[in-house]
Amino acid sequence: EAGVTQFPSHSVIEKGQTVTLRCDPISGHDNLYWYRRVMGKEIKFLLHFVKESKQDESGMPNNRFLAERTGGTYSTLKVQPAELEDSGVYFCASSQGLAGVETQYFGPGTRLLVL
Amino acid sequence: AQSVAQPEDQVNVAEGNPLTVKCTYSVSGNPYLFWYVQYPNRGLQFLLKYITGDNLVKGSYGFEAEFNKSQTSFHLKKPSALVSDSALYFCAVRDYIRSGGYQKVTFGTGTKLQVIP
Repeated sequence: EAGVTQFPSHSVIEKGQTVTLRCDPISGHDNLYWYRRVMGKEIKFLLHFVKESKQDESGMPNNRFLAERTGGTYSTLKVQPAELEDSGVYFCASSQGLAGVETQYFGPGTRLLVL
Repeated sequence: AQSVAQPEDQVNVAEGNPLTVKCTYSVSGNPYLFWYVQYPNRGLQFLLKYITGDNLVKGSYGFEAEFNKSQTSFHLKKPSALVSDSALYFCAVRDYIRSGGYQKVTFGTGTKLQVIP
């Protein structure tokens, strides 16, 4: 069974540019989560999809971040325009069943550097 | 609000010795606790979780963790460390509040474990 995959693995962009990150969850997983880890700090929740619906987007930093999950399969996270403080590692995770104490399976992350 | 603390940025241990990676938490309701490990250039891998029941939880790769409600701790342990255990370890908590249901997962800042040959 394929795990959670993320693309790209690395992205270096200039301030003001747009970047789109993609996450492909494990097939059949209804829950999809986005997280971010800024250098040396905790991994912070961004948002949670159940199928194509946003269940909780309370962790999204501001309106420069837009997440979508059309069709309830893969998800994209767009940052537009990117700022220096958006640099970090963006993780995607997926799980099945009712969101609660289920195990979340993480992708390898996308390392974003905004110059 | 829920929170997790991993008081040590780095833990060094000699190969073959027991290891402990500390984690304490704070929640309003019932805690559900998790440990994840991240190897270099890899994503987080699930190690173990505490939901309810036995306070001693056994997980992958010989790791275990003990839930201690009075001390609000969930320390990760292994009887005999391997060099291959060197990685970044994250503790996480998910609160369950009767009025609000499950809260989002909160992670600690991570502890780097270095096992010295």
